[in-house]
Amino acid sequence: KAGVTQTPRYLIKTRGQQVTLSCSPISGHRSVSWYQQTPGQGLQFLFEYFSETQRNKGNFPGRFSGRQFSNSRSEMNVSTLELGDSALYLCASSSGTGREQYFGPGTRLTVT
Amino acid sequence: DAKTTQPTSMDCAEGRAANLPCNHSTISGNEYVYWYRQIHSQGPQYIIHGLKNNETNEMASLIITEDRKSSTLILPHATLRDTAVYYCIALSGAGSYQLTFGKGTKLSVIP
Repeated sequence: KAGVTQTPRYLIKTRGQQVTLSCSPISGHRSVSWYQQTPGQGLQFLFEYFSETQRNKGNFPGRFSGRQFSNSRSEMNVSTLELGDSALYLCASSSGTGREQYFGPGTRLTVT
Repeated sequence: DAKTTQPTSMDCAEGRAANLPCNHSTISGNEYVYWYRQIHSQGPQYIIHGLKNNETNEMASLIITEDRKSSTLILPHATLRDTAVYYCIALSGAGSYQLTFGKGTKLSVIP
C-alpha cells in the first residue's frame, strides 16, 4: 500500500505571496492532519480533517487554512507569507479506526 | 492530553538494547501511550502504542508500569539506523487525533 505523499517537496516563495500544499493520504484513510516543524518551535499541530470536516485546529493565525476533498486528499493554504512561515510542513493520515498516524515526507517551504 | 517527560538525549551501543523512558504521571484512564520517532529530515514514523498491557511488534516493545505513570520503549538490538528523536505522546482514545509533540529523546546509536 502506498504511503502518504506530499507535493511539492520543496518550495521557495517570497514574502506576501500565498502557497498551497497538497497531501494524498494512504488509501482508505479518512483523517488527515497537518503539522508545522521549525527548529525553534518543534512540531506543532495545525489542523485535522475527517470526512471533509475540520475537526480540530491548532493555535495558528487565520492565514493558515485547509480543506479536505471527498477522496480524502487534503490541501493547506498559507496566505500573505511571512519569513517565519519557513518550515517543514508535514501531513499525516489515519484510518479513522486505528489512531496511529502515518506521516508523509513533508514539504520544505522557504520564504525569502 | 497528559504531559509527558523524556530525557533530552541517550546513547546506546550498536547491537545492544535501547531502553527509552517516558514519564506520564498525570495520564488519565482513557489515554494511550504512543511512540513515534523522527529520523533527521524525514516525517515522524509511528512505532507502537499501548493502554495498560505491554505491547510488542516488529519494531519495538512497550512496557507500561502497572500504575501507568511511566513507560519504556525498548529497541531490542539497536542499529545505526535507529539514531533518531523519539517522542512519547499521551493521546485520548476518543475525539481528535491531534498529536502534541514535546522535545523527545535524541537517541544516538554508537558503532
